[in-house]
Amino acid sequence: DQQVKQNSPSLSVQEGRISILNCDYTNSMFDYFLWYKKYPAEGPTFLISISSIKDKNEDGRFTVFLNKSAKHLSLHIVPSQPGDSAVYFCAASARLKGGSEKLVFGKGTKLTVNP
Amino acid sequence: DVKVTQSSRYLVKRTGEKVFLECVQDMDHENMFWYRQDPGLGLRLIYFSYDVKMKEKGDIPEGYSVSREKKERFSLILESASTNQTSMYLCASSSGDRVYQPQHFGDGTRLSIL
Repeated sequence: DQQVKQNSPSLSVQEGRISILNCDYTNSMFDYFLWYKKYPAEGPTFLISISSIKDKNEDGRFTVFLNKSAKHLSLHIVPSQPGDSAVYFCAASARLKGGSEKLVFGKGTKLTVNP
Repeated sequence: DVKVTQSSRYLVKRTGEKVFLECVQDMDHENMFWYRQDPGLGLRLIYFSYDVKMKEKGDIPEGYSVSREKKERFSLILESASTNQTSMYLCASSSGDRVYQPQHFGDGTRLSIL
């Protein structure tokens, strides 16, 4: 049972255009949503997060939108740059005992930005 | 800047061996995690720890155990390695503060079991 879904395994865009990566979830108890970027042979790098009580969070070229009624979030990258080419993972956070959390990850979307 | 260090980038072991993967973080984080990443499956949680000597099972704990004797160090142990444990292993840590802090990852250990 996949609780976090990224239905597009890959996405290709032109440099300077907008990249939109999508993510759907099923569990209403998630309280934070995150996006991580991963280059080959490196660990995932935290990109941006959004609380479940918000609908938008912006950080420079990166904006995350959350639609709770649709259980859907998206990451917008504007303008896209070749250095943005990576695998992007959507993750959802659920609180656990001891103040810890569990991150549930999607399978990732490979973004390619063409010069 | 958070630093999560995994002791080996690449490791090759044989079936049946006992394998230790080590992870150290330098930010005094309470929480530490072990994931594995496989093609088409994303990242899956194996074990986590929210305090020294505390450990909790994640989604796929079978065949693994962990040890957290010191706050900064979290070890993943493959008791008797099998070929289906060939994978990329990722360690992460996070603060236990009330204000939400994201998990930070190491660069991973690519483990091959022959």
